[in-house]
Amino acid sequence: NAGVTQTPKFQVLKTGQSMTLQCAQDMNHNSMYWYRQDPGMGLRLIYYSASEGTTDKGEVPNGYNVSRLNKREFSLRLESAAPSQTSVYFCASSDDGVMNTEAFFGQGTRLTVV
Amino acid sequence: ELKVEQNPLFLSMQEGKNYTIYCNYSTTSDRLYWYRQDPGKSLESLFVLLSNGAVKQEGRLMASLDTKARLSTLHITAAVHDLSATYFCAVDVNYQLIWGAGTKLIIKP
Repeated sequence: NAGVTQTPKFQVLKTGQSMTLQCAQDMNHNSMYWYRQDPGMGLRLIYYSASEGTTDKGEVPNGYNVSRLNKREFSLRLESAAPSQTSVYFCASSDDGVMNTEAFFGQGTRLTVV
Repeated sequence: ELKVEQNPLFLSMQEGKNYTIYCNYSTTSDRLYWYRQDPGKSLESLFVLLSNGAVKQEGRLMASLDTKARLSTLHITAAVHDLSATYFCAVDVNYQLIWGAGTKLIIKP
């Protein structure tokens, strides 16, 4: 049981390049999330998906797009990377949230934009 | 504005001591979560608190929730070096988690 799997673990991009971060969960969770974590700060929500086929903006969506490909997979795309997007990105999932929105996290992607 | 405030943000303490981390939040919620993060690692769920008065304990850590005061505490008893980490609280607001900034805990042998 792998839980939440993110790829890649590390990435260096040049300003203006694009890339997609992949996330998959095998816990049959309905909800999935993308967060970014910057040094000394908590987590900030970029986008979330409450169910397959739906996505919504979080606190810091600018510069990102997402796709909920199916129930298992939720990808995050940077169309034109900027140095301000240097961060650690975490994908998470939770069950249907009626009673318990405990989130389970992937291992993170450390992204550097130069 | 929704706010989740943790205090302190940084704590250095000696092994064997007791201490409490506080998590205050600004809106109504009866679901709160505590997570642990080791340097360079992901977040690991520690406690799930789903009602007023909920208390959970695991080893030297105990978490509680007072929804009327909008306050959760994470109490550390007789701290050991292995508990050194950053601890986050997160509050469920309309099925979304709002996160505190984290408390970096260093426990010196």
